[in-house]
Amino acid sequence: QKEVEQNSGPLSVPEGAIASLNCTYSDRGSQSFFWYRQYSGKSPELIMSIYSNGDKEDGRFTAQLNKASQYVSLLIRDSQPSDSATYLCAVNSNSGYALNFGKGTSLLVTP
Amino acid sequence: NAGVTQTPKFQVLKTGQSMTLQCAQDMNHNSMYWYRQDPGMGLRLIYYSASEGTTDKGEVPNGYNVSRLNKREFSLRLESAAPSQTSVYFCASGLLAGVMETQYFGPGTRLLVL
Repeated sequence: QKEVEQNSGPLSVPEGAIASLNCTYSDRGSQSFFWYRQYSGKSPELIMSIYSNGDKEDGRFTAQLNKASQYVSLLIRDSQPSDSATYLCAVNSNSGYALNFGKGTSLLVTP
Repeated sequence: NAGVTQTPKFQVLKTGQSMTLQCAQDMNHNSMYWYRQDPGMGLRLIYYSASEGTTDKGEVPNGYNVSRLNKREFSLRLESAAPSQTSVYFCASGLLAGVMETQYFGPGTRLLVL
């Protein structure tokens, strides 16, 4: 069983702070990594994708990938109350494009 | 574009009843997926279809069947529903760009089996 591990949280940060979400994975053959945001009662929404080692920035979001250490992280700068949601880390299997998901980290941004 | 659509939004079944969950996408994606999401378990893959005419089992296929009717539609069938199949079901379709495929999710179907 290929595993994707996330701290369930809740992670609480004040408005305007940087939220840091982490994810580790067990399959060394994984090539693609994704962060989805899921509001309560809604479907997962793609936030970031990353393929290469290093950082990838998109607006207030930065994804960081370290394949040697098998972790991927998501930084949210200038956190807003509207960022309060569950963040799902997803990793593709080395046998195709199917994704393995972590159980998610609950983020709470307090005003 | 509607993206990925799912019907019904909500369904209540009695144990032993059958039903089909419908999924359609209008993004011309080749791959389609069915997941279930349970509290504390995360999203788990039930079945997927890498292209029209092919289907493969995922992590939790028991009790389910699928049909890739055409490129747009991918249905999930419960032949004899059990309370353990109470869950939220998400359909997704995948856009392949280079070596990376990105999945986009439908709004989900909430299923309660009594």
